[in-house]
Amino acid sequence: GAGVSQSPSNKVTEKGKDVELRCDPISGHTALYWYRQSLGQGLEFLIYFQGNSAPDKSGLPSDRFSAERTGGSVSTLTIQRTQQEDSAVYLCASSFSGRAWEQYFGPGTRLTVT
Amino acid sequence: AQSVTQLGSHVSVSEGALVLLRCNYSSSVPPYLFWYVQYPNQGLQLLLKYTTGATLVKGINGFEAEFKKSETSFHLTKPSAHMSDAAEYFCAVSDREAGTALIFGKGTTLSVSS
Repeated sequence: GAGVSQSPSNKVTEKGKDVELRCDPISGHTALYWYRQSLGQGLEFLIYFQGNSAPDKSGLPSDRFSAERTGGSVSTLTIQRTQQEDSAVYLCASSFSGRAWEQYFGPGTRLTVT
Repeated sequence: AQSVTQLGSHVSVSEGALVLLRCNYSSSVPPYLFWYVQYPNQGLQLLLKYTTGATLVKGINGFEAEFKKSETSFHLTKPSAHMSDAAEYFCAVSDREAGTALIFGKGTTLSVSS
């Protein structure tokens, strides 16, 4: 596809379970970003990958959150021991190297923790 | 640290009226500035961006924004609102030097009545 894709589109999980969210960036984009959109909180930056450099994890809210990017393409955001406050829409974006200011967003994964 | 303030979480206008969504930023250096729109149950779409050059930027769907360095503002306007403009609008900044993640405002929901 031509755009950023994310899966699943919706995920309902029980408190305490682990979840994995997937992002497929646009082909050729070396930079990948994860954001979280919570009701009343707007969009928060979580983590940023650029090529083979160490990721910028400064936005991760706790050590229950982690992300990896395999082969410089697909990324997985993992939330361990989910809590109700993790309920949000998780958005992924990608961009070309050197054009980090021009990010293209995926449709998001809506996570509901019951 | 950079920050973005969007004045007014909700703005209501009549069809045909002027749309004005306010955005102020805080940054030690002139940043890159963006407006994104999110229609119900859809992903984020870039409306317009300011990087360099002309301070009045035109975007899609008849929207425009003006970068005013002296006021640290980047307000979004449209001369005549359409019903289809009803959506949530996000202002964002990016560090021009580091060029990494976007910092978003909390969003403004625009309602358009007939």
